Order: sequence, then C-alpha cells, then structure tokens
Amino acid sequence: GNSVTQMEGPVTLSEEAFLTINCTYTATGYPSLFWYVQYPGEGLQLLLKATKADDKGSNKGFEATYRKETTSFHLEKGSVQVSDSAVYFCALGFTGGGNKLTFGTGTQLKVEL
Amino acid sequence: DGGITQSPKYLFRKEGQNVTLSCEQNLNHDAMYWYRQDPGQGLRLIYYSQIVNDFQKGDIAEGYSVSREKKESFPLTVTSAQKNPTAFYLCASSSQGNSNQPQHFGDGTRLSIL
Repeated sequence: GNSVTQMEGPVTLSEEAFLTINCTYTATGYPSLFWYVQYPGEGLQLLLKATKADDKGSNKGFEATYRKETTSFHLEKGSVQVSDSAVYFCALGFTGGGNKLTFGTGTQLKVEL
Repeated sequence: DGGITQSPKYLFRKEGQNVTLSCEQNLNHDAMYWYRQDPGQGLRLIYYSQIVNDFQKGDIAEGYSVSREKKESFPLTVTSAQKNPTAFYLCASSSQGNSNQPQHFGDGTRLSIL
C-alpha cells in the first residue's frame, strides 16, 4: 500500500536558520505530492505541490522537489521566521479512486528568536 | 469567500450518546472527506464521498456514519460504538477525480468525552 514517512519532530530552529524536513514515500505508480501546514487549532492549508518527477513546488519561500529516484519530497526554506512555527504534513495522492490522500505523521517546527 | 465551515468548534459527548459534526462547503466541489487526527498519528481517513448520495469507507470507518444528501454538506455522526472518540476531526473537499487538485480543509471540530 501507499505510505509516507516524515522525520520526527519537534524541530527547533533559530530565526533565519535553514530548514529541511525530510519526506519519503512508498507508492505503486507516480503520485502527486503535497506539503500541507497546520497552525495551532486550525485545519490544514496547502503549502505547495508537485505532480510529476523533477517538478519543484514553491510557495512563501518554501520549496520541495519531486525526486522519483529517491522517492523523496523534502521541504526546504532558506531562512525561517517565528511565524513559520507550525506542523508540516507531507502527503501523496493519485488521480481517481476518490482522489484520496495518504498523509505522513507530521513534523512540528518551532522557530525561536 | 469560498471555503469549508465545520461546526461546532468544540463538542462534548456523554457515554452512549451519538453526536453529529457538521461540514458545509461552498466551493462547488464534488468530493468530500472526513479525517481523524490524533497526536503523533497524522490524519486518518474515516469516510469519503465522490458524489451526492454515495460514500465509501476509509481506513477507520468503524463507529462512524455519514450521509451526502446535498453536494455542499457531508455530516459525520460519531456513534456510541466508537469507543475512543476523543480526537480532532477535519473535513475536506476537492474537485473530483484529479489528484492535481488539492484538498481544502475546514478548521476542525475537537470532540471530547464527558
């Protein structure tokens, strides 16, 4: 079956530090890949996506590249801010079959001054 | 503004009681989903619906029921058969059948046992 594995948190960084959150997946075929962000007490918001190999998704300074050879979709940001503190979820989905998503367990990011 | 509205934000259930969580969307999306979120476990799919009057079980459907009588509404009932209902419940919707289209989420309902 499909699965997504994320690095465990919490990840604690100082403001302006470089961020990497690792995500690898197992799937039959070629899924679309997503990063969602969840702020405290809220639902999930789409951060970025990539729909085929070598695509790079980017938004708000975050980026991730769909690597088929390593089945990875690592999230990066060059300089984090306190406002980036949240839980980040990696997910995969396939067209058809209800367009269901498979989520990783989430990685909490804490950014300190 | 288009979006998904979940209500109530907080809900308490007594032993042996059924409770219903509301989810309404005005995005004109065909597909809707219910997820359960527990600490350290990510999101798990309870039920999903691709079209009005049709729905399918997800990974953890036992103890839950849904209906899809209108395109914009997908209520979730947590029955007394669900022995561990305390969790954060998230509703989502998406355009039908295309994984390039992301899911849009509501702000969730937190259910607790009295």
